[in-house]
Amino acid sequence: DIQLTQSPSFLSASVGDRVTITCRASQGIFSYLAWYQEKPGRAPKLLIYAASTLQSGVPSRFSGSGSGTEFTLTISSLQPEDFATYYCQQLNSYPLTFGGGTKVEIE
Amino acid sequence: EVQVLESGGGLAQPGGSLRLSCAASGFSFSSYAMSWVRQAPGKGLEWVSGISGSGGRTYYADSVKGRFTISGDNSKNTLFLQMNSLRAEDTAVYYCSKGHQYSSSYGMDVWGQGTTVTVSS
Repeated sequence: DIQLTQSPSFLSASVGDRVTITCRASQGIFSYLAWYQEKPGRAPKLLIYAASTLQSGVPSRFSGSGSGTEFTLTISSLQPEDFATYYCQQLNSYPLTFGGGTKVEIE
Repeated sequence: EVQVLESGGGLAQPGGSLRLSCAASGFSFSSYAMSWVRQAPGKGLEWVSGISGSGGRTYYADSVKGRFTISGDNSKNTLFLQMNSLRAEDTAVYYCSKGHQYSSSYGMDVWGQGTTVTVSS
């Protein structure tokens, strides 16, 4: 199975900050990586697919990059509604797997 | 509007069974890959099971293989997850999700609100 390691697990930041989250795969997954945002009591929301393509309706301050084994999610200017937990997911092969999550908290 | 709605969660005893349902609306679920994803209390997301758009292929996480079965009823536009031999560690919110409109390899673009499964004596 492909393991995904996210870092950091927790991140404290302020409104307006630039935030970067990393996701590393245990083996190459081409660009078959998605990023999700999750807020308490709500279903996950797809932000980025194919490593770098912004899902329709997602603000342009979110961006993704990478291929192979190393990927990043960047929020260019953190907004109050962005405080949440973020997960990466690989879709290169079954079983599909998620990273452990990165919780973005208010500093 | 494209949406999915889960039902069937509840309390089950260890070793017991539950059947989750996911009613799809606004799209034909047989045209898309579908998955079940769960989240245990205080934990991260865990992909549980998936089915191809044609229904011909099914996939499972190692943690549920041999105990859970995913299936679909095209006539009812409904996805199911039959859960047998339940364990305490199966306690979680279970989400139904739809494969991306462009490709199942692009992620899950529609999620339900989840149904809670509690396994306890």
